[in-house]
Amino acid sequence: GAVVSQHPSWVICKSGTSVKIECRSLDFQATTMFWYRQFPKQSLMLMATSNEGSKATYEQGVEKDKFLINHASLTLSTLTVTSAHPEDSSFYICSARDGRRKLIVDTEAFFGQGTRLTVV
Amino acid sequence: RKEVEQDPGPFNVPEGATVAFNCTYSNSASQSFFWYRQDCRKEPKLLMSVYSSGNEDGRFTAQLNRASQYISLLIRDSKLSDSATYLCVVNIRISNFGNEKLTFGTGTRLTIIP
Repeated sequence: GAVVSQHPSWVICKSGTSVKIECRSLDFQATTMFWYRQFPKQSLMLMATSNEGSKATYEQGVEKDKFLINHASLTLSTLTVTSAHPEDSSFYICSARDGRRKLIVDTEAFFGQGTRLTVV
Repeated sequence: RKEVEQDPGPFNVPEGATVAFNCTYSNSASQSFFWYRQDCRKEPKLLMSVYSSGNEDGRFTAQLNRASQYISLLIRDSKLSDSATYLCVVNIRISNFGNEKLTFGTGTRLTIIP
């Protein structure tokens, strides 16, 4: 099946610094990538939808200036958590859809391995 | 009301038992449905899609009732390796340009007891 690689798998950073998370589709073109956040014992919450070559669409309550998303190519999207604070500590997961299957409704989303961010 | 609601769990069942999970969704425009499995501190992985006609994959059977907006997952002859969190996932088309959005339930934690 399709592979999505997310890096880093875990990161610890100091409060006030920025952290960049990369999400790559390795064997397919991902015209759309999704970024999720998951707090302990909670479900995945969609943060934003990223379309290649255009601005990301953020979900209500997600600060676009704090969570910068760049989707400059069909295989790479990045999420930068700017000026991270302890409350940003979470599990961040990306997923991607195969652009060739975009109009087929019943499609699988492929997930990256996730990034566990701890802000101290 | 949450868009996707699942049994609260946790479910602790003996090995070999049959266990059923239920899920309801609120958006009637939902177009496709899935069960994902998530192991602790890992990414979700697709378990199976769910069709109106019902579908089976080995020990796993999924059902969809569009009229009731209800989805179920049945696991027969449960194994220790089935221990995980099971996520009910609903896909909604949010524009005419093919944009879609996956909405996840909170998940039901299953532990199989030897």
